[in-house]
Order: sequence, then C-alpha cells, then structure tokens
Amino acid sequence: AQSVTQLGSHVSVSEGALVLLRCNYSSSVPPYLFWYVQYPNQGLQLLLKYTSAATLVKGINGFEAEFKKSETSFHLTKPSAHMSDAAEYFCAVSDTRNAGGTSYGKLTFGQGTILTVHP
Amino acid sequence: EAQVTQNPRYLITVTGKKLTVTCSQNMNHEYMSWYRQDPGLGLRQIYYSMNVEVTDKGDVPEGYKVSRKEKRNFPLILESPSPNQTSLYFCASTSVGADTQYFGPGTRLTVL
Repeated sequence: AQSVTQLGSHVSVSEGALVLLRCNYSSSVPPYLFWYVQYPNQGLQLLLKYTSAATLVKGINGFEAEFKKSETSFHLTKPSAHMSDAAEYFCAVSDTRNAGGTSYGKLTFGQGTILTVHP
Repeated sequence: EAQVTQNPRYLITVTGKKLTVTCSQNMNHEYMSWYRQDPGLGLRQIYYSMNVEVTDKGDVPEGYKVSRKEKRNFPLILESPSPNQTSLYFCASTSVGADTQYFGPGTRLTVL
C-alpha cells in the first residue's frame, strides 16, 4: 500500500526566502512521485515528477525536488519565493503496476500544504 | 487540444436529489478516475476505470456510482446525495503505462 505524508499543513515564508515543502512516502515498489500545485479556485497543475530517472528533478516556475530513497522523501524546494507562489501544494505517489509492470495511474495524495508568501 | 472536461463546474443541490457529474476526455485514454478533495485530507480516489465496462472502487466509494459505457466518458453518479458529499471533485485520465495524469478543472458540489 502506498501513502504520503506532508509535514506542515501551512508554511509561511517571506518573499525572496527559500521555500521548503516536505513530503515523505511509503511504497512497496519503486514509486513514481509527483508534486502538484493548486492556485486559489483553480484545478491541479503538475509541477514536477520523478519516474526513476535522475533523482534531482526540476519543474516549472523554478521548483525542484530530490528523491531520497534512504529517507523515503521527496521534498520540494525553490531558492527564492515569489508572491505568485502562494498556493496549495500536493505531493502524490503512484506505485500501482499492472501485470506487465507498467503503471496504471492511481495516485495517493498527501493532505496538502498551503504556502503563504509575505512581502 | 488535449483535455479533460467536467460539467457542471458548480452545483448546489438538496439532500436526496439524484445528480450526475460528467467527465469526458479526448485523448483516447484507457484509465479514468474520480477524486474528491476535502480540506486537510488532500485528494482521495472514489472510483476508477481501467477501460470500457471495467470499473472498480477506490478509497472512498460509499454513496457514489460510476459507469464506463464509452471510452471517452466516465460520469459520476450520486443517487441520493448527502451533505457529507459536499466537496470539490476532480476527474482524471491517463494511458496505461504513462506516468502522468490529466486532471479536469474540478466540480464544486454543495449538498444542502
């Protein structure tokens, strides 16, 4: 069974400061890992994904995440926060595979982290 | 344009009045699913479908039904809605073997 824990339901940073959103996962097979962002009153947008290639993944809007198998973590970072980064962020894991070994896409989400950016 | 569409986007209804939320994708994806989003709980899968006429329960299926008569459509049916089904609902689709899901814009449902 797969699960995701996001540490901190609310994170507040100043504009220009480092953004660090924490995600730990549990998976019985090598996982695929994702970060999604949801801006107020909007749908989900994929920020980045890890699918067993490079462990440091770069995404849109200057975000990146590093897969650390030993720590079962996939934390999201951005060196310098912008006001426009204020949103809710979701970490998700997929480890469901069909008989052929390929993913068929069920995502298990963390509870979400609301990022607030102060001027 | 590749997309997942949902209708309606907003719905206010009363307890017990049957409703259907439609979901359609134009990418010929085999796998479709429904999620609900609640504050502090993230998104949880309600039902999923591996292909036409193949559906199965997700993590929170109680009170919902689905059908998959055509590959492109995957409607979510609430036979007798209750206030605890007030939520934001997302439809998603992907190809078997793909690693990225496409999400619809969401349907905000309020049950009074």
